Amino acid sequence: KNQVEQSPQSLIILEGKNCTLQCNYTVSPFSNLRWYKQDTGRGPVSLTIMTFSENTKSNGRYTATLDADTKQSSLHITASQLSDSASYICVVNDRGSTLGRLYFGRGTQLTVWP
Amino acid sequence: EADIYQTPRYLVIGTGKKITLECSQTMGHDKMYWYQQDPGMELHLIHYSYGVNSTEKGDLSSESTVSRIRTEHFPLTLESARPSHTSQYLCASSVPGTNEKLFFGSGTQLSVL
Repeated sequence: KNQVEQSPQSLIILEGKNCTLQCNYTVSPFSNLRWYKQDTGRGPVSLTIMTFSENTKSNGRYTATLDADTKQSSLHITASQLSDSASYICVVNDRGSTLGRLYFGRGTQLTVWP
Repeated sequence: EADIYQTPRYLVIGTGKKITLECSQTMGHDKMYWYQQDPGMELHLIHYSYGVNSTEKGDLSSESTVSRIRTEHFPLTLESARPSHTSQYLCASSVPGTNEKLFFGSGTQLSVL
């Protein structure tokens, strides 16, 4: 069964600290993996995409990694800010085309305290 | 910010009422989706459309229906709302060739009493 598992379920950190969110998947075939950020009361917004051949990609203070062999991805947030408080959702695409299917994780709820 | 809009943001109605959740996008995207999201759970696809006059049911069984008469408009209708329909409903669209990057609206939080 194709699944996407995220950990931890929730995380509280102090402002300025770093954190890492995990995403493990069993989706096959695999085309790409996206991380979305969902602020409370809003729709998710794409942060970054990882394709099969990519290992690391940075977007400002966000750095995503992908290990396609072990089917694991991580999202590292550096020097956290209060505005980073949100749910972070991992989404795996099996074919990368219009006919592709998306598999969603349940998200990690991150809270950044001052 | 994506140009995709959902109305209303919040809706509280009684059991048995007919409701329509509106979704519009100004980006000219062909593919549109409706997802259902409950707290702490993954998004579940309930309907999607490849373009005008195309609608498909998603993975999650739903008593709702959708229509796609215009590219920019993808409304979702519940003929007779029940308390089990209480949830957050998210509309999204995507552009072919972007590896299915989704652009989401802000959602409609539906409460059926």
